[in-house]
Parts: sequence; C-alpha cells; structure tokens
Amino acid sequence: GAVVSQHPSWVICKSGTSVKIECRSLDFQATTMFWYRQFPKQSLMLMATSNEGSKATHEQGVEKDKFLINHASLTLSTLTVTSAHPEDSSFYICSASRDSGSQETQYFGPGTRLLVL
Amino acid sequence: QKEVEQDPGPLSVPEGAIVSLNCTYSNSAFQYFMWYRQYSRKGPELLMYTYSSGNKEDGRFTAQVDKSSKYISLFIRDSQPSDSATYLCAMSALGGYNKLIFGAGTRLAVHP
Repeated sequence: GAVVSQHPSWVICKSGTSVKIECRSLDFQATTMFWYRQFPKQSLMLMATSNEGSKATHEQGVEKDKFLINHASLTLSTLTVTSAHPEDSSFYICSASRDSGSQETQYFGPGTRLLVL
Repeated sequence: QKEVEQDPGPLSVPEGAIVSLNCTYSNSAFQYFMWYRQYSRKGPELLMYTYSSGNKEDGRFTAQVDKSSKYISLFIRDSQPSDSATYLCAMSALGGYNKLIFGAGTRLAVHP
C-alpha cells in the first residue's frame, strides 16, 4: 500500500511553454500533498504544500504564479510550471500523506525530470 | 547555517562492512526523524521512522536519535552492493506527515 505515481516521468519542452505534472495516490486518500524540487547532487527542497480543496502554500522564494498547484481531489494534485525557462530544469518529486496521525509519514512518487530547452 | 547538516560523501565501503551515516540539526523542535533511500533518478523510499530519542532496528538497519546532541545516525550491517544509493535524513517538528526538512544526502557505494 501507499503507492504514489507521477506522470510524466520525464518531459522536454521549449522555453516559454507550460508544463503540467500529475501526482496521484493510487491506493489511499491523500489529505496533503507536497511538491519538491531536486537539483543534481542536491537534496530535496520543498516548494509547496497543498491540501485538497484549498489553496496551496508556497515556500518562501517559490513564485506561486509560476508554479501553479491544484489539488482537486484526495488522490490527485497537479503542478504546472508556467512559462518554463532553462533554469527550471530539475527533478520534481511529489509526496502524499494520508492523515495527521503522529506516526504517519509521506510517501514519495518516482519523480518527473523536466528539461527546458 | 543549514537546519540539517549531512556529509554528502561519497562513502565507499566493501561488501559486508558496517556503514554509519549521520546528520546533525539545529532546531530543537524536531521530534520526528526519518531516513530515506534514493536510487539514482528515483523518488525517495522510507527506510526508518523514529520519534524522539532512542534506537529503532529493522533488519540490517538501525536508527539512533540523540536529541541532547541533536544528532541522528543510521547504521547498515552486512552492507550489500544493492545498498548503493543516496541516503537522506529528514526531520519534522509536527510529524512525518507534515513539512520535512531534508539533509543534503550521503552517497554510498558498496563494492563487491
């Protein structure tokens, strides 16, 4: 149990275009989903936290109008990188958590590799 | 100063060795501590999850938390080539379901 998928697994796009990445919890309902970015040989940096049916909370320094997040259901969250530029090229990883129980944790998706030309 | 410090390595050990991975942190509010394993170009996989201080063992893996020293460790016994990966420590003040702060990750290579 606790499987999280992401689609696509990799994407190449031209500078200035928008890219949408989907994150799905396959066998559980995710009350909260998180979006991370990971540059080569660096750690995961949290970009935003989203709860189903409410606005996402973006971390300091992450432009909310550039990185649009929609958490329309308990099993799906989407990240849209608008007007992508080469510096947005990175590995984007989502995670999902089931509930607020103290022993619960986040389950991570396999990641989406974005290359902006 | 980063909230979580972790030596990025790389760490290279022979098969069968005991591996010790460590993280230090500065935020005394952290109570939940996790270790994730990440293979190249994959998402992190949860290995160990501990709350507060103490030890936790699961098979070849042992996690230790020393809150007084703000220091956590992951030990891998009888290391295998399949253990070659990046190991990330992560911490949270409110629970693993909430905002996690990650270390930089330590790259481990276990050679036959």
